[in-house]
Amino acid sequence: AQSVTQLDSQVPVFEEAPVELRCNYSSSVSVYLFWYVQYPNQGLQLLLKYLSGSTLVKGINGFEAEFNKSQTSFHLRKPSVHISDTAEYFCAVSETFGNEKLTFGTGTRLTIIP
Amino acid sequence: DAGVIQSPRHEVTEMGQEVTLRCKPISGHDYLFWYRQTMMRGLELLIYFNNNVPIDDSGMPEDRFSAKMPNASFSTLKIQPSEPRDSAVYFCASSLERGSLGTEAFFGQGTRLTVV
Repeated sequence: AQSVTQLDSQVPVFEEAPVELRCNYSSSVSVYLFWYVQYPNQGLQLLLKYLSGSTLVKGINGFEAEFNKSQTSFHLRKPSVHISDTAEYFCAVSETFGNEKLTFGTGTRLTIIP
Repeated sequence: DAGVIQSPRHEVTEMGQEVTLRCKPISGHDYLFWYRQTMMRGLELLIYFNNNVPIDDSGMPEDRFSAKMPNASFSTLKIQPSEPRDSAVYFCASSLERGSLGTEAFFGQGTRLTVV
């Protein structure tokens, strides 16, 4: 079975500053990795995904993430945040074979300070 | 496509009543997932279907919960009888068959359930 750990439950960042949201996963098989964003009172929206190939993945809204297999990490980064980035961010993992289900981390609430 | 459609968006019910949540997945998607989101436990997978067949219901909390998918365009999650601890946001999501390009789940707007 796979699991996801998001160590930071809340991250406050000043506007236009860079941010990194951390995600570590555990799995006995190869995985796909995802970052989703949830705005207040909304469903989850895909930011980016890692399937294979280049370990640096670019997503929407200027976000990117890097897959590090040796450290089993998939940290999300943005060089300069905007007020509109205030939301909850979820890292998720699914197996490349076998069980189709998506397992989520507990989420990180990103708050942008003007 | 209009995306995953859930109804109702909000539901307030009294303890002991039956509650039915509805979901229309994206047309052509093979998988349908039901998740529950609470402050205490985050996002929990309750059950998922592949081609209308339940594959894994190990996340269903107890017998009061049941889910059906009578056809490819409709699913329900029923709670009978409901209890205050069932209060949460319930999300439905759908995805395509996993292939070489991987898969991503598309989420509905959720149903906020309050049991008083």
